[in-house]
Parts: sequence; C-alpha cells; structure tokens
Amino acid sequence: DAKTTQPNSMESNEEEPVHLPCNHSTISGTDYIHWYRQLPSQGPEYVIHGLTSNVNNRMASLAIAEDRKSSTLILHRATLRDAAVYYCISISNFGNEKLTFGTGTRLTIIP
Amino acid sequence: DTAVSQTPKYLVTQMGNDKSIKCEQNLGHDTMYWYKQDSKKFLKIMFSYNNKELIINETVPNRFSPKSPDKAHLNLHINSLELGDSAVYFCASSPRTGGSGELFFGEGSRLTVL
Repeated sequence: DAKTTQPNSMESNEEEPVHLPCNHSTISGTDYIHWYRQLPSQGPEYVIHGLTSNVNNRMASLAIAEDRKSSTLILHRATLRDAAVYYCISISNFGNEKLTFGTGTRLTIIP
Repeated sequence: DTAVSQTPKYLVTQMGNDKSIKCEQNLGHDTMYWYKQDSKKFLKIMFSYNNKELIINETVPNRFSPKSPDKAHLNLHINSLELGDSAVYFCASSPRTGGSGELFFGEGSRLTVL
C-alpha cells in the first residue's frame, strides 16, 4: 500500500469550498484512495473513497488525478462542523490490510 | 442505533492487570478490525478478522489476544498490561476486505495504565 503525504494543517472560511490535497506518488493500480475525518474524542468517520474516477457523495467530492499520484478532497461549503483532522490513505484491493493512518491534515474553519 | 459500539469507553487500571474491551457491530459486515491510536495520534492496525477468522496480526505482543465469537463481535483481551499500552483502541468493521470496502469505526476505548 502506498504511503500518502498531506499538509499538516489548513484553514478555510465558513461557507467557502475547501480543497484538501493528498499525494500518493507510489500508488499501485489496484490501490483505492480513502478519506476519513476525526473529530476530537471521536472515532474516525468515513468520508469518501475511489479508485480512478472522481466520486461524489453527500459529504464531499473526491477528485483523483489522471496519473493517480494525487487526489483532492473537496468540501463544497465548509461549516464549523467540518473542523477535524482529515486522513487520506491508500488501500490495496488485493490485500486485507487497512493500514496505518498518517498524521492527516488538521482543518480549521474560520467563522 | 450505534453501528459499531465499544465498551468500556474509558478504562483506568494498574500495570500487570488483565483487561478486555468489547466490540459489536450491527451492520452485517463480515470484516472487523482493531486499531490502536497512540499519543502522537497515529492510528495503526492491530488485527483483522474476516467471518470470525484471523486475517491480519500485525506486530502486536502476544499479550494482546482478539476473540471473535461471531461475525458481529470482536473482543480484545490484554494480559499483563504495561504503561506503553496506554492508548485509544478503536474497533472498526467493513463490508469487504481490501480497498473497495470503507471502514466504520467505533467511538474508541481510552485505556490508561498507571
């Protein structure tokens, strides 16, 4: 499974879109890209995942680069409730591993 | 109804004691996991079970023993607790093994060893 790198922290204004980047330059063709977020004193919460095509759900959108070496989580309209640590991980579809999460990006929403 | 529930939420105990954390999921998933989140907030997989069978056992001391009585339950028993075992332990489940299956986490069990 590929290692991912993310910025340590980001800030965004409330009600504006947020683009959270993730690099996974060593990703293999069968690795899915997953995003989770964690609020203080809570368990990680699933946000979105994808393989090659861009994905949308009620929480966010996932834009995957054509070469799959990077991806961007898009929160279309940030609210204060979106303040959390966001983790990007890649997981092989041919293994049973759900690996170590990195340190993630701490997103601060400014009212 | 909570999808993945863990008990207890908090656990404070002395070194050398034995303790258990229980996990139950009502999502009908076949795959369950235990993760450990240390003080630096790294979340590391410990064990993975698929349909009650152990799939992954990362480099975890033998003092940690998971048990899955059925697909909906995965308990974690820890013998001879050490200071370094202090952490938050998360249970998770997934509808599928591999990357196509998303993870659903419990709220965590914070273990403090004195």
